[in-house]
Amino acid sequence: EIVLTQSPVTVSLSPGERATLSCRASRNINTNWLHWYQQRPGQAPRLLIYATSSRATGVPDRFSGSGSGTEFTLTIAGLEPEDFAVYYCQQYADSPPVFTFGPGTKVDV
Amino acid sequence: QITLKASGPTLVKPTQTLTVTCTFSGFSLTTFGVGVGWIRQPPGGALEWVAITHWDGDRRYNWSLQSRVTITQDTSKNQVVLTMTDMDPVDTATYYCARATWNRFDYWGRGNLVTVSS
Repeated sequence: EIVLTQSPVTVSLSPGERATLSCRASRNINTNWLHWYQQRPGQAPRLLIYATSSRATGVPDRFSGSGSGTEFTLTIAGLEPEDFAVYYCQQYADSPPVFTFGPGTKVDV
Repeated sequence: QITLKASGPTLVKPTQTLTVTCTFSGFSLTTFGVGVGWIRQPPGGALEWVAITHWDGDRRYNWSLQSRVTITQDTSKNQVVLTMTDMDPVDTATYYCARATWNRFDYWGRGNLVTVSS
């Protein structure tokens, strides 16, 4: 089973700053099967980036994703007040089929 | 417009069976590549995938829960039902249903907070 580790656990930044969030897998992941979600307080998660680097519908272009193999990154270029939230990475493996989420990174003011 | 909503009890007793229903609209569960999954989140905790049912009727479960969990779909009613037996306080969580397109969850409903307590 693939384990996802996210770092840092919490990052404290100010509006306008750049955030770089890491997701590390215990073994190689197909880049089509690595996704990122945003969860604001009291809300359901929202798909942000899919297949490593594609933005979901309606996601601003200050959000970008990159990576391959076991190392993946979510970058937020210029934090807006609504971006302070928890971010989760998620991977899919097909033998056996399983969806795994990382523990999350909180972006704090 | 795609919407999903989880509904069910807010309180169950230990050893009881939980049944939560996801009612969705704006898409069909018979569409190729589409599924509906359940994901839960304990208070202050991370997301955990529970189960998923696919457009072709295929069902998959989190191996750590599969002995206690069943997912069923009623395409005529646009509903997916999750049943979890032998509930324990550690199962206290918000239970979300979400549409899956292939291997990502692209639309989520507001969750249903379930507390397990006597």
